[in-house]
Amino acid sequence: DAKTTQPPSMDCAEGRAANLPCNHSTISGNEYVYWYRQIHSQGPQYIIHGLKNNETNEMASLIITEDRKSSTLILPHATLRDTAVYYCIVKGGSEKLVFGKGTKLTVNP
Amino acid sequence: GAVVSQHPSRVICKSGTSVKIECRSLDFQATTMFWYRQFPKQSLMLMATSNEGSKATYEQGVEKDKFLINHASLTLSTLTVTSAHPEDSSFYICSARTGWGTDTQYFGPGTRLTVL
Repeated sequence: DAKTTQPPSMDCAEGRAANLPCNHSTISGNEYVYWYRQIHSQGPQYIIHGLKNNETNEMASLIITEDRKSSTLILPHATLRDTAVYYCIVKGGSEKLVFGKGTKLTVNP
Repeated sequence: GAVVSQHPSRVICKSGTSVKIECRSLDFQATTMFWYRQFPKQSLMLMATSNEGSKATYEQGVEKDKFLINHASLTLSTLTVTSAHPEDSSFYICSARTGWGTDTQYFGPGTRLTVL
């Protein structure tokens, strides 16, 4: 079973920031938060991951709450190409990636 | 970034035949590779985990004699669907893990299998 809870769908206007929430209230101390996305009919694409500090890369920012029970993936300037299903996954170092249902993000022109 | 390729991207076969799908890590050595299956409008389901040079570990409910996995080198894993049936039609996706750092998995583009 997935250890995370995400809203099934979200909409965002092109050019605006997309903030995707994820709840992981049962996360343990050695588990990381990973974010992947899957554009239709493609394999999942790695976006970012973090343990407890906020992380930023060229694709997105990951904000993890101090108690680590939730996180938010931020796409600072969403484009139409960011329309995809976004998966938030909690995983320990050697564990398997278990995909939940994710959030279907639709970026509207 | 790490790149994983799959071949073929699409395959159509007749019922009862076997189909082989290749998964390659192009710019890194993958100690562990994974095979997933995704049916329409569903999420990815892990089928099996393979470590280079050893037998694959299959998830519950996945028939190991039907889905043969070989991970003969650090850059190549193959999935063979034997005696394919129409219900095996699906999107098959592999991923590879570098086995160092935080063990991030990178995914291939997927293979669409249609069994007639």
